[in-house]
Amino acid sequence: GDSVTQMEGPVTLSEEAFLTINCTYTATGYPSLFWYVQYPGEGLQLLLKATKADDKGSNKGFEATYRKETTSFHLEKGSVQVSDSAVYFCALGLYGGSQGNLIFGKGTKLSVKP
Amino acid sequence: GAVVSQHPSWVICKSGTSVKIECRSLDFQATTMFWYRQFPKQSLMLMATSNEGSKATYEQGVEKDKFLINHASLTLSTLTVTSAHPEDSSFYICSARDSAGSGGASQETQYFGPGTRLLVL
Repeated sequence: GDSVTQMEGPVTLSEEAFLTINCTYTATGYPSLFWYVQYPGEGLQLLLKATKADDKGSNKGFEATYRKETTSFHLEKGSVQVSDSAVYFCALGLYGGSQGNLIFGKGTKLSVKP
Repeated sequence: GAVVSQHPSWVICKSGTSVKIECRSLDFQATTMFWYRQFPKQSLMLMATSNEGSKATYEQGVEKDKFLINHASLTLSTLTVTSAHPEDSSFYICSARDSAGSGGASQETQYFGPGTRLLVL
């Protein structure tokens, strides 16, 4: 069945360091791919998404490219800030993700130290 | 932006009792709400999908008589865990979607609540 695998955390970085959180997926069909972020005490928020191969999603300095050949959607940011400390979830969804068919990875906790 | 709240944020109850969790969309009409469950260090797992005014659709393996879902209005859905047992202890998260894209909501996005942590003793 469809699944998402993302790197396990926690990940601890110093401010201004480069961030990569790996995410790979297994899916039949042509899913959309998402990164959600959960800040402490808050709900999951959509960070970025890509709906087809080679699309690049970007938001708040974060980027991820939908790589069909490697079935990957790695999250990157060139220079992290303390305010980026959160849990990041990779997810795939059929029907653009607006239906309930979101399949999540286990989440990666990121801590950024000043 | 669109906000979804959940209440309570955490609850401790005795085995055999029932617990009700509320999920509210604060500034948009939630035509569809979803309930997820998350075990420690595990993924979010979809439990059920509910559309306002109709019965919820449960995912395979989720007992509908155990997890009662009511979506009686466009801003409120409730999940009731009936006769709770320790194995029901988990983190329950709701999300909401507005198919018409009203208020601050984009019609293609699910908006998530902050979750409710349930501990059954």
